[in-house]
Amino acid sequence: DIQMTQSPSTLSASVGDRVTITCRASQSISTWLAWYQQKPGKAPNLLIYKASSLESGVPSRFSGSGSGTEFTLTISSLQPDDFATYYCQQYSSNLYTFGQGTKLEIK
Amino acid sequence: QVQLVQSGSELKKPGASVKVSCKASGYTFTTYGINWVRQAPGEGLEWMGWINTNTGNPAYAQGFTGRFVFSLDTSVSTAYMQISSLKAEDTAIYYCASGGVSATTIGVYWGQGTVVTVSS
Repeated sequence: DIQMTQSPSTLSASVGDRVTITCRASQSISTWLAWYQQKPGKAPNLLIYKASSLESGVPSRFSGSGSGTEFTLTISSLQPDDFATYYCQQYSSNLYTFGQGTKLEIK
Repeated sequence: QVQLVQSGSELKKPGASVKVSCKASGYTFTTYGINWVRQAPGEGLEWMGWINTNTGNPAYAQGFTGRFVFSLDTSVSTAYMQISSLKAEDTAIYYCASGGVSATTIGVYWGQGTVVTVSS
């Protein structure tokens, strides 16, 4: 099975900061990668699909990049609503796997 | 608008069974498969598997075979996830998810989650 490793596990940042979260796959997944945001007590929310495509309604400060085994989610200017946990998710051979999550905290 | 509405919280004893429902509305039910995702207390997301709403064929992730069964009632646009022989470690929030422009994502539409607590 393909393993997904996110870094860092926790990230402290301030409103207005530019932040980047990394997700590494144990083998190549082309661009079959998605990013989700989850707030406490809520279901996850899809942000990015196919590594860099922005889901409809998601603010443009969110962007994704990468291919193969290394991917990044970037938030260009953190807003108060962005403090949450972020998960990457890969798709390969009809199977999905999540990363372990990155908790984005207020500094 | 598209909605996935799940059944309410469950408190079960070890060894019992539980069946969680996920009712879809706002779209043609057979357009998208239904995925199931588990989140144990304080933990991350685990994909459990999915069910094809056209064929009714389920597929289970590693670790979710044997005691877990996905099913459908297309007449009421509802998917079900049943767990038998419940264990304490099955205590979690269970989400259904579906839809979106890419079949390579678990879904853009999510249920609100069903809390299953297994305790004697």
